[in-house]
Amino acid sequence: KAGVTQTPRYLIKTRGQQVTLSCSPISGHRSVSWYQQTPGQGLQFLFEYFSETQRNKGNFPGRFSGRQFSNSRSEMNVSTLELGDSALYLCASSLGVLSYEQYFGPGTRLTVT
Amino acid sequence: AQSVTQLGSHVSVSEGALVLLRCNYSSSVPPYLFWYVQYPNQGLQLLLKYTTGATLVKGINGFEAEFKKSETSFHLTKPSAHMSDAAEYFCAVSGPEGAQKLVFGQGTRLTINP
Repeated sequence: KAGVTQTPRYLIKTRGQQVTLSCSPISGHRSVSWYQQTPGQGLQFLFEYFSETQRNKGNFPGRFSGRQFSNSRSEMNVSTLELGDSALYLCASSLGVLSYEQYFGPGTRLTVT
Repeated sequence: AQSVTQLGSHVSVSEGALVLLRCNYSSSVPPYLFWYVQYPNQGLQLLLKYTTGATLVKGINGFEAEFKKSETSFHLTKPSAHMSDAAEYFCAVSGPEGAQKLVFGQGTRLTINP
C-alpha cells in the first residue's frame, strides 16, 4: 500500500506570494492532519480534516487555510507569505476519528525569500 | 491543555550502550502518548504508542517505553544502541479525541558513537 505523498517536495516563494501544498493520504484513510516544523518552534499542529470537514484547528493566523476533497486528498494554502513561514510542512493521515496511528508523509520544504 | 517536555535536546551514546530518552507530559485528561523518529529529510515514523492497558509498551526497532502516571513520564529506552538509531526523536501527547491532533516535544537528537 502506498504511503502518504506530498507535493511538491521543495518550494521557493517570495514574500507576499501565496502557496498551495498537496497531500494524498494512504488509501482508505479519511483523516488528514497538517503540521508545521521549524527549528525554533518545533512541530506545531495546523489543522485536521475528516470527511471534508475541519475538525480541529491549531493556533495559526487566518493566512493558513486548508480543505479536503471527497477522495480524502487535502490541500493547505498560505496566503501573503512571510519569511517566518519558511518551514517543513508535514501531512499525516489516519483511518479516522479515534484512530491512534498517524502516518506521516515526507513533507514539503517551503522557503520564503 | 497538554504539553510535552523532552529533557535533553542532544543525547550521545556509544554503539551497544543503553539508550534513554526522557519525556514528561502534562495533561488534564488521560493522555495518549507517542514516540516518533525522524531521519534526515524524511517525515515522522511511529515507534510506539500508549493508549490504555499495559504501561510497558514495545515498539519497532527494539525500542520500548513505560508510562508512569505518578511521574507523568514516558521515557524511551533501547538496551543496545545501533548506528542506524541516529536520528531525531519526538515525544507527543494527544487527548482521548484521538491522535489526529498531536502536541509534540521539542525533540531529542540522538548521536551514536562508534
